[in-house]
Amino acid sequence: SQQGEEDPQALSIQEGENATMNCSYKTSINNLQWYRQNSGRGLVHLILIRSNEREKHSGRLRVTLDTSKKSSSLLITASRAADTASYFCATGLYSGTYKYIFGTGTRLKVLA
Amino acid sequence: ETGVTQTPRHLVMGMTNKKSLKCEQHLGHNAMYWYKQSAKKPLELMFVYSLEERVENNSVPSRFSPECPNSSHLFLHLHTLQPEDSALYLCASSQDIGQDYGYTFGSGTRLTVV
Repeated sequence: SQQGEEDPQALSIQEGENATMNCSYKTSINNLQWYRQNSGRGLVHLILIRSNEREKHSGRLRVTLDTSKKSSSLLITASRAADTASYFCATGLYSGTYKYIFGTGTRLKVLA
Repeated sequence: ETGVTQTPRHLVMGMTNKKSLKCEQHLGHNAMYWYKQSAKKPLELMFVYSLEERVENNSVPSRFSPECPNSSHLFLHLHTLQPEDSALYLCASSQDIGQDYGYTFGSGTRLTVV
C-alpha cells in the first residue's frame, strides 16, 4: 500500500496565484520532505520538516505538518511560470533500514 | 548539475541485450540509491547502498543487478529486460542513511525496452 499520497493529482493556476498541494500518509513518520521534479528530470529537494515541527518556511514555500491528521501541505505563494513541475512528498520511516517513500506527485502548471 | 551524474541520459535496448547504467557523485555522500519511476506510479525504491554495502533490496527481479565498487560510483546492470521495465531510472545519494538527510538526485536515465 502507498505511504504518501498527494492531492490534487493535477493543478493549473495563473501566475501570481498561490498553489497548495497536500500529502497524506498512513503510518507514523520521523520527518517529511517535499521535492520538485521538472519534466523528465531528477527530483530536487525543497524542504524537510521534522515530526515535532508544525510549520516551516523557505522563500516562497511554506510547509505545514499535522501529525494527528497524518497530513502535510506545501504552499507556493506568488507562483511563477518557472514553478511548473511535479511536486512530491516523501515520508521518512524505519522499515529494515531508514528510507523515504514517495507519492505519485501533484502536477502543477502555472500559466503566464 | 546537482552533483549526481547519470549516464547515459537515454537508452534503448532490446530484450536480449545487456547494458549498464552508471551513477557518479562527488559530494562525499556515503549512501546511494536506485529508484524506478514509471508513469502514474510512485517512485519505487530498488536498492540502497551504504558505504558500498547493499542494505536494501526491494524484491527487485534478478534481471536488475546493482554494483557499488566505491562510495562515489553506483551501477545498475541490466539483462534480458521486459518492455514493462521501460521507465526513468533515478540515482540518488545522501550524506548517510538515516533521518534528516535530504536526497540529491541525478537527472535520470530514460530506458526504453523494445
